[in-house]
Amino acid sequence: AQSVAQPEDQVNVAEGNPLTVKCTYSVSGNPYLFWYVQYPNRGLQFLLKYITGDNLVKGSYGFEAEFNKSQTSFHLKKPSALVSDSALYFCAVRDSQGTGGFKTIFGAGTRLFVKA
Amino acid sequence: GAVVSQHPSWVICKSGTSVKIECRSLDFQATTMFWYRQFPKQSLMLMATSNEGSKATYEQGVEKDKFLINHASLTLSTLTVTSAHPEDSSFYICSARGMGTTSYEQYFGPGTRLTVT
Repeated sequence: AQSVAQPEDQVNVAEGNPLTVKCTYSVSGNPYLFWYVQYPNRGLQFLLKYITGDNLVKGSYGFEAEFNKSQTSFHLKKPSALVSDSALYFCAVRDSQGTGGFKTIFGAGTRLFVKA
Repeated sequence: GAVVSQHPSWVICKSGTSVKIECRSLDFQATTMFWYRQFPKQSLMLMATSNEGSKATYEQGVEKDKFLINHASLTLSTLTVTSAHPEDSSFYICSARGMGTTSYEQYFGPGTRLTVT
């Protein structure tokens, strides 16, 4: 069965500092991996995805994520955090083999707080 | 492109009544739509997957008679919460995937907050 783990409930970082939001996954086949951001009382906004190719994926708003197959991780990163980045971040995985019925499974979410 | 809307954005209903939530894909045809439920400070829980013109597939533990899903057209899916109870109060989010979009991409609506009094 596929699963996603976001080990940190909250990440605190000072504005201008680099940020990392961690994500590990488990799937039977090759993973499709996604990061989404959610602002209060809003739906999810797509940030980036890994399907195949380069392990380092660049996305919206200066975010990037690195796919590490050996560690089954897909950590979200940004070189310099902004206060406006404060939000709830979800990592998601989908099994490319369809063994999970092509369903996308979401992690529990990590709340990012960027302090000015 | 790839915009998904939901209506209403916020609804309050009395216990025992039914409420319908609409999900529309505005600029693409959604062959598959997903309905999620999100409790405060929790992740999204997939409730059901619906393909246009066929019955929805419900996740384990989701009452299909309580959460009625209809996906009658390629741009519209509805979720009807029947005989609502206060414990049904939640944030409901729909997502769509379909023709004209890469099959692995899902686009999310802004969500509907349901409060049952």
